[in-house]
Amino acid sequence: GAVVSQHPSWVICKSGTSVKIECRSLDFQATTMFWYRQFPKQSLMLMATSNEGSKATYEQGVEKDKFLINHASLTLSTLTVTSAHPEDSSFYICSAGAGLADPPYEQYFGPGTRLTVT
Amino acid sequence: AQTVTQSQPEMSVQEAETVTLSCTYDTSESDYYLFWYKQPPSRQMILVIRQEAYKQQNATENRFSVNFQKAAKSFSLKISDSQLGDAAMYFCAYTQGGSEKLVFGKGTKLTVNP
Repeated sequence: GAVVSQHPSWVICKSGTSVKIECRSLDFQATTMFWYRQFPKQSLMLMATSNEGSKATYEQGVEKDKFLINHASLTLSTLTVTSAHPEDSSFYICSAGAGLADPPYEQYFGPGTRLTVT
Repeated sequence: AQTVTQSQPEMSVQEAETVTLSCTYDTSESDYYLFWYKQPPSRQMILVIRQEAYKQQNATENRFSVNFQKAAKSFSLKISDSQLGDAAMYFCAYTQGGSEKLVFGKGTKLTVNP
C-alpha cells in the first residue's frame, strides 16, 4: 500500500521559535495533501488542504500566518508552525491523496508528529 | 453542513465476540464514499474498510464488514471474532465524489476484554 512519512515524529521547541514538519509520499505522487490537528482523545480536525504548486486552502478559524504550508512537489508538503506557543502543542497528522487513482478519493496517513512547546 | 455522528463514545467486547459500531452521516449528495479508520495507541491512522455509495453490496474485509443503509444514511461497522489487537479508536468518515476532503466523526473507543 501507499506509504506516507512524517518527520520528525516528536519535536520539542521553545516558545517563540518556529518548527517545520515534513510530510512525504514515498511511493506515489500526491495530488493533494492534508494537514490535521488532533487533541488528546478527540477526532482529527482538518487544518488545511494543499495542492502542489498552489496556495493552501485553510479551514475556518485556522491562522494561515501561523501555520504556513508549502507543497513544493508532488511528494513533499511542509507545515511550519511560526512563533510557537504552548497552546500549539498538539499531535499533527498529514495525509496524501492520490486523486482518481484506484481506489479513488483515498487518503494515506502519515504516522503523525507530536509537538510540545515549552 | 456535512456531518458524521458516532453515537457511542466507548464500546467494549469480549475477545472472540462480535461488536457493531454505529455511524450516521448527513449529506445531500448522491455520490460519496464512506470509510472506517482505526487509530491504535500508536496513533497511526489505518484504513479498515471503504464503501462507495453507488454500490448496494456491503463491503467486507476479512473480519470487518459494514451495514450500509443509504436511505437511512447509516454506515455501521461489524467486527467479528474480536481480537485484542482490534482495541483502538475507530473513526467513521466520508468524502463526496469529486473531493478528497474527509469529514470525520468524533470516534468510538473500542476495548477488547480477554
